[in-house]
Amino acid sequence: GAVVSQHPSRVICKSGTSVKIECRSLDFQATTMFWYRQFPKQSLMLMATSNEGSKATYEQGVEKDKFLINHASLTLSTLTVTSAHPEDSSFYICSARVSRRNTEAFFGQGTRLTVV
Amino acid sequence: DQQVKQNSPSLSVQEGRISILNCDYTNSMFDYFLWYKKYPAEGPTFLISISSIKDKNEDGRFTVFLNKSAKHLSLHIVPSQPGDSAVYFCAASGSASKLTFGTGTRLQVTL
Repeated sequence: GAVVSQHPSRVICKSGTSVKIECRSLDFQATTMFWYRQFPKQSLMLMATSNEGSKATYEQGVEKDKFLINHASLTLSTLTVTSAHPEDSSFYICSARVSRRNTEAFFGQGTRLTVV
Repeated sequence: DQQVKQNSPSLSVQEGRISILNCDYTNSMFDYFLWYKKYPAEGPTFLISISSIKDKNEDGRFTVFLNKSAKHLSLHIVPSQPGDSAVYFCAASGSASKLTFGTGTRLQVTL
């Protein structure tokens, strides 16, 4: 299947700093990318839908000023956690859609963020 | 409001036997269902999907059954192998094309 690369896989940062997570589709162009967050032993919660060249669509309850999403090209979307707090510590996962059919959604490896 | 539910958080099955993972949903607008497999600290891997116009889809050892009237789907893995040990998520989507995930079932295949 298609390859989605997410970087970094693990990051530790201090409270108040910002962290950028990259999501790249390596062998296909992704017009739409999704960002998820997973708490321990819980489901993947959709945070936002990122469309190339336009503003991201955020799910209810997700602060768009805190979780900045940029989808500057058809192969790259970034999630920046601004002014991170310990409660932002979580596992963040991106996915990219090859086509409009959901079966073509492939996931990155995920990023474990720890804010200390 | 959990629209997709996996009521069994864990399941243990002997190698060679059948694993049955269940998933229930509440939103009647969902028309596409998927199963993903996930290892710790990794992203989910797509396994198999089914459209609401079907009631069964098979791919090798994996078969997904959909019962629309009961709003229930299940994933059958047969024969189960130790490498199948992982967390399995069902997901559903409707016209918005967003995926709504269940809470996952941890499958342990024992020797």
